[in-house]
Amino acid sequence: KQEVTQIPAALSVPEGENLVLNCSFTDSAIYNLQWFRQDPGKGLTSLLLIQSSQREQTSGRLNASLDKSSGRSTLYIAASQPGDSATYLCAVRLDNAGNNRKLIWGLGTSLAVNP
Amino acid sequence: EAQVTQNPRYLITVTGKKLTVTCSQNMNHEYMSWYRQDPGLGLRQIYYSMNVEVTDKGDVPEGYKVSRKEKRNFPLILESPSPNQTSLYFCASQRTSGPNEQFFGPGTRLTVL
Repeated sequence: KQEVTQIPAALSVPEGENLVLNCSFTDSAIYNLQWFRQDPGKGLTSLLLIQSSQREQTSGRLNASLDKSSGRSTLYIAASQPGDSATYLCAVRLDNAGNNRKLIWGLGTSLAVNP
Repeated sequence: EAQVTQNPRYLITVTGKKLTVTCSQNMNHEYMSWYRQDPGLGLRQIYYSMNVEVTDKGDVPEGYKVSRKEKRNFPLILESPSPNQTSLYFCASQRTSGPNEQFFGPGTRLTVL
């Protein structure tokens, strides 16, 4: 059974720091991995999608990497800002889920960036 | 603007009173899905739909119904809500070919007393 773990559960950093959020999954047979941001009352925003054949994706100050063989992904946030404060969720789609595009979710990392 | 919308955003109800949470997407996506999010358990899939009139159970379907009469809409129905269905609900949609990104609605916070 696929399990997704995110470490740390919470993180507090001063503004301007570069930081890394970790996501690990137990079954390497994934189709893709998606990083989301969750703001209170504002739902889930997709940040980056990495296909299983890719190693990384970048969007602005965000860079996500994927190492399927070791079951790990990292989300790197450069020059963090208070507006980055949110919960970051990692989700994987299984390779053998058939028609179901179900995502398996981690519990998230709650990030606080302090001015 | 491409989006997934849900209504209502917040709902407080009582045990046994039937309710429907609507979900609509304007991206012509074939695939739609409902999740619930609970502390310590994360997001879990309730139901999904591959296309019009095609629905199937996810991991936690008990106590819920769905329908897919139109491509854009995927309502979640609670025939007889119970307190253990108090949760944050998300609707999602995705194309079944091409880009694999899933898009999510803003969430519906449901409280069943």
